[in-house]
Amino acid sequence: RKEVEQDPGPFNVPEGATVAFNCTYSNSASQSFFWYRQDCRKEPKLLMSVYSSGNEDGRFTAQLNRASQYISLLIRDSKLSDSATYLCVVINEKLTFGTGTRLTIIP
Amino acid sequence: DTGVSQDPRHKITKRGQNVTFRCDPISEHNRLYWYRQTLGQGPEFLTYFQNEAQLEKSRLLSDRFSAERPKGSFSTLEIQRTEQGDSAMYLCASSLDRLGEQYFGPGTRLTVT
Repeated sequence: RKEVEQDPGPFNVPEGATVAFNCTYSNSASQSFFWYRQDCRKEPKLLMSVYSSGNEDGRFTAQLNRASQYISLLIRDSKLSDSATYLCVVINEKLTFGTGTRLTIIP
Repeated sequence: DTGVSQDPRHKITKRGQNVTFRCDPISEHNRLYWYRQTLGQGPEFLTYFQNEAQLEKSRLLSDRFSAERPKGSFSTLEIQRTEQGDSAMYLCASSLDRLGEQYFGPGTRLTVT
């Protein structure tokens, strides 16, 4: 089993819709969690940290479920500019990226 | 610009040649990381430094790869006797501490012909 697993997609979603991604991790001792966004042929950029209490940044909401060992990202009112690959990141003794979920917002 | 910088941005080399990449982290960050990313995959950890000390190396880092951070500031990644399988994006990132956010440079795209 991979340490961090994501559904690779692609997710093709109409503009304005709500989309959710999940990411599961295998190491229960993992301590920090993040979502990154990566545009084609660009470097990953930090989107948001993920906390057990959940956190929201505008249209984006991230949630951590330690009991079930998954993190989620919800994007509301999706925009064309949200099209990208979304990578979840888990830190225990080391940092591990998921393979990413590709999202395309359709006009 | 106070972000992470990498040089060169692109490198095309013939198989068997040596290449060296440079990374300049965010100045107050004492942790520096190297990753490799191939198409359709997430970044894969190669190695990291805390200040000038190289604290961990992935098994992906064969004997042909070496990394240094001589004064705890910039870092270099050298690949000797390049192979076609080394073609990838090499990403550098820096952070303040082990559990904190990592900030990435623009990457060096290596093509081995």
